[in-house]
Formats: sequence, C-alpha cells, structure tokens
Amino acid sequence: KNEVEQSPQNLTAQEGEFITINCSYSVGISALHWLQQHPGGGIVSLFMLSSGKKKHGRLIATINIQEKHSSLHITASHPRDSAVYICAVKKYSGGGADGLTFGKGTHLIIQP
Amino acid sequence: EPEVTQTPSHQVTQMGQEVILRCVPISNHLYFYWYRQILGQKVEFLVSFYNNEISEKSEIFDDQFSVERPDGSNFTLKIRSTKLEDSAMYFCASSAFGPDYNSPLHFGNGTRLTVT
Repeated sequence: KNEVEQSPQNLTAQEGEFITINCSYSVGISALHWLQQHPGGGIVSLFMLSSGKKKHGRLIATINIQEKHSSLHITASHPRDSAVYICAVKKYSGGGADGLTFGKGTHLIIQP
Repeated sequence: EPEVTQTPSHQVTQMGQEVILRCVPISNHLYFYWYRQILGQKVEFLVSFYNNEISEKSEIFDDQFSVERPDGSNFTLKIRSTKLEDSAMYFCASSAFGPDYNSPLHFGNGTRLTVT
C-alpha cells in the first residue's frame, strides 16, 4: 500500500476554475511538500508545510495533521498551471530515510 | 536565484557501461540528495550525503551505485555497470540544513539516462 496517496490522478479544467488536489498519508511525518513537475521533467518546490496553511500568489496549501491530509488549491487557474503536482512527505526521523516519500502525482491540464 | 545544475541533460549508454551523472548544488547548501524517477512512475529516494559521507541510502542504492563530492562544488552519482532497468530520470537536490530541520529542497532539472 502506498504511504502517500493523491487524488485525483488526472484533472482537466477550464481556465479560471478553482482547483483542488488532495493528498493523504498513512505515516507519521515531520513535514509535507508540494512540488510541481513540468512537462520537461524538472521539479520545483512549491510549499513545505508542517501545520496550518501557506499561500503564495494563486496557490494555497493546507494540512490537517490529525486527519493526515493536505490539499493544494489553485485559484483563477491558467493554462500555464498545467503540470504534474506531487505530494511528498518527510517521515519522522528513525521512521524512514532522510529522503522524501512521494505520491504518484496529479496530472493537471488547464484548457483555455 | 541560485539553482542546482545537472549535466548532462540526457545520457545514452550501453548496458554494462559505467556512467557518471554530475550535479552542482547551491553553493552554501550542506545536504545533497539523489532521486530517480522511472518513466511513468513516482519519484524515489536513492541517497543523502552530508559532510563527505553517505547519510542514508535506500534499498535501490546497491553496490552498483556510488556518490562522491570530488571537490567543493560537484556532487556525482556513479553507476558502475548499467542495466536496462537503470533507465530513468535522475534528480539531484540540495538543502541548506538537514532533513530533521525540514529545510526546503531545491531540485535540479534532472538527467535522463537511457540504457540500451
């Protein structure tokens, strides 16, 4: 069973729509990362969260530690937001590797 | 803004050959990582490196793999005898502080390795 599950796997929406991508995890974590992977393959870090909510431009990320759930929201979506969005967690020290454990990603397409 | 750079962007090699993937982390960062992503699959952790030694490695990182920081700027991943299943995108990442401090990760653009 995957320790990090994302939904949906694929999402197509119209420009301007409000987008929500969900991430659930089954392990104890010290932080959760949201990453963006462009069609060329490069990965960009969007947020790192350990509690509450963060906002950067049109992107908002929230986390509920008790429910082991995080969401990434995109307001006023634009075709340039089209990418794969990846949730990754840092497991508690001693509970796993130094590295992050990744979800499979959500492939987002925003149509003009 | 400082960035992590990886070379080459694409490497094609024959099975059994040795390859070295190169990375230049952000200059004041102390922790370095290699990740890989097989086509169509999720990103997987390979190894972390700090203070000139491996900090932790995953099950994937077997004796065919090695890492090195040969000078003050480069961080390399060597695959001794490549197999077809080593074909993947390999990402280097660096962070200012260690994983226990939840320091943001900065990724390079990746090296696509194709083993024929």
